[in-house]
Formats: sequence, C-alpha cells, structure tokens
Amino acid sequence: SQTIHQWPATLVQPVGSPLSLECTVEGTSNPNLYWYRQAAGRGLQLLFYSVGIGQISSEVPQNLSASRPQDRQFILSSKKLLLSDSGFYLCAWSGTSGGPTSSYNEQFFGPGTRLTVL
Amino acid sequence: AQKVTQAQTEISVVEKEDVTLDCVYETRDTTYYLFWYKQPPSGELVFLIRRNSFDEQNEISGRYSWNFQKSTSSFNFTITASQVVDSAVYFCALSPSNSGYALNFGKGTSLLVTP
Repeated sequence: SQTIHQWPATLVQPVGSPLSLECTVEGTSNPNLYWYRQAAGRGLQLLFYSVGIGQISSEVPQNLSASRPQDRQFILSSKKLLLSDSGFYLCAWSGTSGGPTSSYNEQFFGPGTRLTVL
Repeated sequence: AQKVTQAQTEISVVEKEDVTLDCVYETRDTTYYLFWYKQPPSGELVFLIRRNSFDEQNEISGRYSWNFQKSTSSFNFTITASQVVDSAVYFCALSPSNSGYALNFGKGTSLLVTP
C-alpha cells in the first residue's frame, strides 16, 4: 500500500530564516506530487505540483519554491520566510495512469506540517 | 475559471440528526471531477469520494450519500444519523481534466456533532 510522509510535523521559525519541508511517498512509482497551504480560514491553496523529476509547476507567485530531486521526494523551500508564510502545509500525491474511470485522480494527503513564522 | 462554493461555513447538529453539506461548482470544462474530503481535528485530509462529470448516479456508502446534479452544478453530501466522530471540516473540490489534476477546493464546512 502507498504511504506519504511529511516532516517536520511542526515548525516555529523566525522571519527571514530559511525553510525546508520534505515529503516522501512510498509504494508507488512516478506519482504526481502537490504542495498545498492552508491558512487561517481553512481554505486550501495549491502552491506547486510536479508530474515528474525536475518538473515543477507553480500556481501562486511567492517567495516559496519547490524541487523534486527524486521520483518520490518533494521539497518545499524558502530562502527568507515572511510572517504571511505561516500556515498548515500539506503534501499530496496522485497516480498518473488510467482513464476517466480509474482512480488516478484521487489525491492522497500527508499528515501536514504546521509552520509558525514569528 | 474553476470555482467551488460551500456556502455553509459552520453547521451544528445533535447526534443522530441527518445533515446535508452543500457544494456548488463552476467550470467551463465538459469533463471534470468532483471530490469530497474530510479534515478531522488532526489535520490530515481524508479522501471520501470522487465523481466524474459523465456519471450522475448518486452514491451511498454506509451513512454517507452524495447527490450529483449537473443541471444545478451541485454535488451535495448527506450524513445520515450523524455521530460525534463525524465532527470535522468537509471540503468539496473540483478538478478539471486538463489541469495536471490540480484540485480547486471550496472553503470548507465545519460540522460539529454534539451528543
């Protein structure tokens, strides 16, 4: 079965410090990978998605970046955190094969990282 | 443009009551996918259901049921005989077929079930 891991679970960082959040998936190959942010008010915002190694699509311009150095590893980074970067960061994966009636569209989420920037 | 509206911000019911969570969506795509996710207090999003735009059959899974109506662009979720463990935030989401499978989420409905 597939599992998705995120770490750290919680993080408190000062403004201006760097950030690195990691997400790994087990039990599947060539997944699509996603980073979402959930700020206060509960809405989920798609930040980045990746359909393969080194392929990153950005949905929202900001001071965050993402990288996919390995097939099942997805990293969210920042060189200098802002107060507005605080939130709950969720990584997700989905399959890439199959037609409209397959299960490839479901996204399965990790446990999340709660980031507080002070 | 893709948009999902969950007009109910918070709902509070007493255990064993039935409750319906509304979801209205907007899309110009002819093929798309609709989803419901549950977010318990722990924070992790739990996948509940996916519906394809060409399949309007309603679905029932235990105490959960979903009513998909393309004519009104709605995909409502009903919990029958609610339980305290159903307390969570519920998200409806839309995925166009050509967007790299990115999900557009509604803002969620917070459901509180009290004993």
